[in-house]
Amino acid sequence: EAGVVQSPRYKIIEKKQPVAFWCNPISGHNTLYWYLQNLGQGPELLIRYENEEAVDDSQLPKDRFSAERLKGVDSTLKIQPAELGDSAVYLCASSLDPPGLAAGELFFGEGSRLTVL
Amino acid sequence: TQLLEQSPQFLSIQEGENLTVYCNSSSVFSSLQWYRQEPGEGPVLLVTVVTGGEVKKLKRLTFQFGDARKDSSLHITAAQPGDTGLYLCAGAEAGGTSYGKLTFGQGTILTVHP
Repeated sequence: EAGVVQSPRYKIIEKKQPVAFWCNPISGHNTLYWYLQNLGQGPELLIRYENEEAVDDSQLPKDRFSAERLKGVDSTLKIQPAELGDSAVYLCASSLDPPGLAAGELFFGEGSRLTVL
Repeated sequence: TQLLEQSPQFLSIQEGENLTVYCNSSSVFSSLQWYRQEPGEGPVLLVTVVTGGEVKKLKRLTFQFGDARKDSSLHITAAQPGDTGLYLCAGAEAGGTSYGKLTFGQGTILTVHP
């Protein structure tokens, strides 16, 4: 069974340019997450979807970041315009169920490494 | 948002040594997970602990959830170079508006030298 697929793996852009990342979760997983991870640090949640509904986007910088999960399957995370501080790895994860009293396992993709020059 | 503090942040040891990584919070979690991440890869789940005082073993790794469900530890016996990686704890918030939110610690970078 295929895991979480992300693209692109690497992206280098100049500041003020737009960039988009795509994620295809594991088939049947209703919960999808986008995390930001700086080098050697833990992932920080940007947004969590239950099916096509964004149930937690409190940490998403909405002035420049946007995300969508049309039809409750694939998801896209966009940054426009990108800033130098956005350089990081953007991780997508999915889980069969939302984390509840016993957090379900999150399956992560390999991430999309963004470098903003 | 509940904060998880991991210590130490960096750990560099020789093969065969034992080590413990700690994950602490002032808040209570409904469950806590440990993940391991290698360079260029996403984190991979090692274990989930749910009950206060719970101890789980995975080969040379022993995980413990604190009695009050505020802290956890990961102990590795006879570390091997293959254990090298970033170890992350993650707590699931129990209720309120943050129900279901998984918060990660800042991670512990472990390097095991042959």
